[in-house]
Amino acid sequence: AQSVAQPEDQVNVAEGNPLTVKCTYSVSGNPYLFWYVQYPNRGLQFLLKYITGDNLVKGSYGFEAEFNKSQTSFHLKKPSALVSDSALYFCAVRDRRGGYQKVTFGTGTKLQVIP
Amino acid sequence: GAGVSQSPSNKVTEKGKDVELRCDPISGHTALYWYRQRLGQGLEFLIYFQGNSAPDKSGLPSDRFSAERTGESVSTLTIQRTQQEDSAVYLCASSLEGSRGTQYFGPGTRLLVL
Repeated sequence: AQSVAQPEDQVNVAEGNPLTVKCTYSVSGNPYLFWYVQYPNRGLQFLLKYITGDNLVKGSYGFEAEFNKSQTSFHLKKPSALVSDSALYFCAVRDRRGGYQKVTFGTGTKLQVIP
Repeated sequence: GAGVSQSPSNKVTEKGKDVELRCDPISGHTALYWYRQRLGQGLEFLIYFQGNSAPDKSGLPSDRFSAERTGESVSTLTIQRTQQEDSAVYLCASSLEGSRGTQYFGPGTRLLVL
């Protein structure tokens, strides 16, 4: 069964410092990987996705993520955190096989950027 | 363009009553998902629609929960005989490329069962 692990419930980082939100996955085949962000009292917003090709994916708001097949990881990163980045971040995985494949979301990591 | 919309935004009901939640996906999106998010929790998958059919209903927690979709557009999630544990935010998402594609989420319906 496929799964996603976000090992940190909360990450605290000072404004201006680099941030990393961790995600590891397990899937039978090759993965599609996604990051979404949820601001308070809002739905989820898409940040970026890995389909194939370049392992470094760049997304919205200066975020990027690196696909590492050997470590089955897809960590979200940003070089310089903003207070406005404080939100709940979800990683998601889907098997790349054709037809219907379930998308599995992680449990979320709360990012707190401290001024 | 217009995103995914959900109504009502908030619903307070009494235990035992039925509720109906509505989702309007982005026009042309054939895939539609319902999720439940309890306070402080992650996303709990409920059901997936491709067009008007639901090939994956595996997340519906009990037979009190049902969903339908008409005209490859609007979807309704119905909860019968609501219980307090049904209190949560119910999120809808739609996708252009079926389950391969990026999901676009609505703002959610916050349900409180008293």
